[in-house]
Amino acid sequence: DADVTQTPRNRITKTGKRIMLECSQTKGHDRMYWYRQDPGLGLRLIYYSFDVKDINKGEISDGYSVSRQAQAKFSLSLESAIPNQTALYFCATSDETDTQYFGPGTRLTVL
Amino acid sequence: EDQVTQSPEALRLQEGESSSLNCSYTVSGLRGLFWYRQDPGKGPEFLFTLYSAGEEKEKERLKATLTKKESFLHITAPKPEDSATYLCAVQAVSNYQLIWGAGTKLIIKP
Repeated sequence: DADVTQTPRNRITKTGKRIMLECSQTKGHDRMYWYRQDPGLGLRLIYYSFDVKDINKGEISDGYSVSRQAQAKFSLSLESAIPNQTALYFCATSDETDTQYFGPGTRLTVL
Repeated sequence: EDQVTQSPEALRLQEGESSSLNCSYTVSGLRGLFWYRQDPGKGPEFLFTLYSAGEEKEKERLKATLTKKESFLHITAPKPEDSATYLCAVQAVSNYQLIWGAGTKLIIKP
């Protein structure tokens, strides 16, 4: 089984809809991250969490929110989706060496 | 401003033709430089971490090197299965967040 899983893998939605992307990990890491990836751009950090009670904004948090339900679960929400949030979204965890381990990604399309 | 630039954007090689990918960085104190491989439709996969100038790491046909301003990923006698996008990221001493380059898409033709 994969160490970092994401659901759904693909999602098509309409402008204004609320969307939740979920991430689960079995690596036992405290640190978790949400990134988005757009063609021609590097991965950009949306939010990160160092433990259940510690959540921090990343470079591009506007329009997004997160919830850390447990050490193993970290969810990303788009409260009112807009077309420029169409992207590939990745969840990651990191160990004590700061090496990050990524999930398979969620491809989100906002029409 | 901390920054990472990867070049070239894309590289096409024949099978067996060795080459290098470049990752130039500007950071206020380097904590670590990371190389990842990303296959289409998948998440990035960790390859190497380098911490100080002069350090080298190898894995199969890949060797990563580090200077004070850049890192190279050398690919020796590549095979078609080495085709992927290679990503570089740096971590500053002052900030645990990784700063990512846009990647180099490597295509190895048989």
